[in-house]
Amino acid sequence: EAAVTQSPRNKVAVTGGKVTLSCNQTNNHNNMYWYRQDTGHGLRLIHYSYGAGSTEKGDIPDGYKASRPSQENFSLILELATPSQTSVYFCASGDRGRRAEQFFGPGTRLTVL
Amino acid sequence: GDSVTQKEGLVTLTEGLPVMLNCTYQTIYSNAFLFWYVHYLNESPRLLLKSSTDNKRTEHQGFHATLHKSSSSFHLQKSSAQLSDSALYYCAPPVDSNYQLIWGSGTKLIIKP
Repeated sequence: EAAVTQSPRNKVAVTGGKVTLSCNQTNNHNNMYWYRQDTGHGLRLIHYSYGAGSTEKGDIPDGYKASRPSQENFSLILELATPSQTSVYFCASGDRGRRAEQFFGPGTRLTVL
Repeated sequence: GDSVTQKEGLVTLTEGLPVMLNCTYQTIYSNAFLFWYVHYLNESPRLLLKSSTDNKRTEHQGFHATLHKSSSSFHLQKSSAQLSDSALYYCAPPVDSNYQLIWGSGTKLIIKP
């Protein structure tokens, strides 16, 4: 079974500060994703990646950067955090192809004060 | 543009009654699988079931769904709701040749005794 871990699990940041959320997967999946989940919006895709060195913008990329230095690791970076970025962030990984399901990490609860 | 609609944001039912959560989509990539994910409180979203075959019923964990390409629908059903079914449910069809998913806004299902 795919294993996706995220760190930290909880984070409190100050407005204007830099925040890095990390994700690691051990199932050798090509694709990785960052989502945020807010009440009334469901899952919204921020950035995704097709493999090491690749990052693509999702539906709501503004204010976020992503980095995929290796097959296993995918980071989400908030250079200048704002209170509107307070949310729960999920990382997911998945194989390519039409059957591929996404496996989600446990989530990171971020609060920006 | 491409879109998926889950018209019910919240469904509240009494235990034992049938469940039907609606999902309609605008376009899906040819021969692609459509997915239903379930997100229980304090857990990670995970795959509930998937299908790519027109007019064929797919079942898993007591839930079932049938893809109807003629009506662009993939409704999720269960004959008898259980308290443990309370969760957030997402419909997710793929929209391009990379099988990138588009996520519905989710339906929150609350089952009461």
